Amino acid sequence: GAGVSQSPSNKVTEKGKDVELRCDPISGHTALYWYRQRLGQGLEFLIYFQGNSAPDKSGLPSDRFSAERTGESVSTLTIQRTQQEDSAVYLCASSPHGLGAAGEQYFGPGTRLTVT
Amino acid sequence: AQRVTQPEKLLSVFKGAPVELKCNYSYSGSPELFWYVQYSRQRLQLLLRHISRESIKGFTADLNKGETSFHLKKPFAQEEDSAMYYCALNRDDKIIFGKGTRLHILP
Repeated sequence: GAGVSQSPSNKVTEKGKDVELRCDPISGHTALYWYRQRLGQGLEFLIYFQGNSAPDKSGLPSDRFSAERTGESVSTLTIQRTQQEDSAVYLCASSPHGLGAAGEQYFGPGTRLTVT
Repeated sequence: AQRVTQPEKLLSVFKGAPVELKCNYSYSGSPELFWYVQYSRQRLQLLLRHISRESIKGFTADLNKGETSFHLKKPFAQEEDSAMYYCALNRDDKIIFGKGTRLHILP
C-alpha cells in the first residue's frame, strides 16, 4: 500500500522567503509527526498531531515555524522568513494511534530544504 | 532532561565479527525504547522495540535500567547491515532520537 509521501522532495529557497512543505500520511493513521534533521545531527522533534486534539507544538524552534493538519489527512509545515540555519531535511511520520504505539512510526522520504 | 546518547558517530566492523551499537538514555519514568535504521537511499524504519523483546535481522537489544542502556547487538555482522542506526525514546508519545551511529561493515 501507499506509504507516507512528502513534497517537494527538494526545495531551494532564498533567505527571507516563506516555504511550505507537505506531508500525506498513511490513510487511517491518527498521529502525525514532523522532525528536522540537520546535517550530521539526529532527528529533532518539531510538532505532533493526534486526532482532533490540540497539536503538541513544543518542538517548534521559533514562531517562524507553524504547521496545520486537515482532520486526519494532509499536513503542511510552513517556515516564514527562512534563514540559512533552517536548511535541513524535514521528515514526516505517521502512526496508527497515539499512546502506546508511537514507536510504530512510518516515515516519509523527507524534504531537503536548502536556504541560500 | 530526557535524552538519548549514542557515543559513536561511526563504527566499522569486519563481516562476521560481533556488532554492538551503544545507546544510553536518561528518563525519569519507565522508558520505552526503540532502534530505528536507515539503509542507503531508503526511509527511516523501525528495527525493534524493547517491549516486544524480538530479534529482527539477527539484532537484539536488552534494556538495562541499572546502566540506563539499550545497546544493539548482533553476533555476526553481514554486509547488508551497513546503515545508519538511531536509538530512540518515547517521551509522552514524542520520540526523542539520538544522533545516530553509522555502521560500516568491512568485507
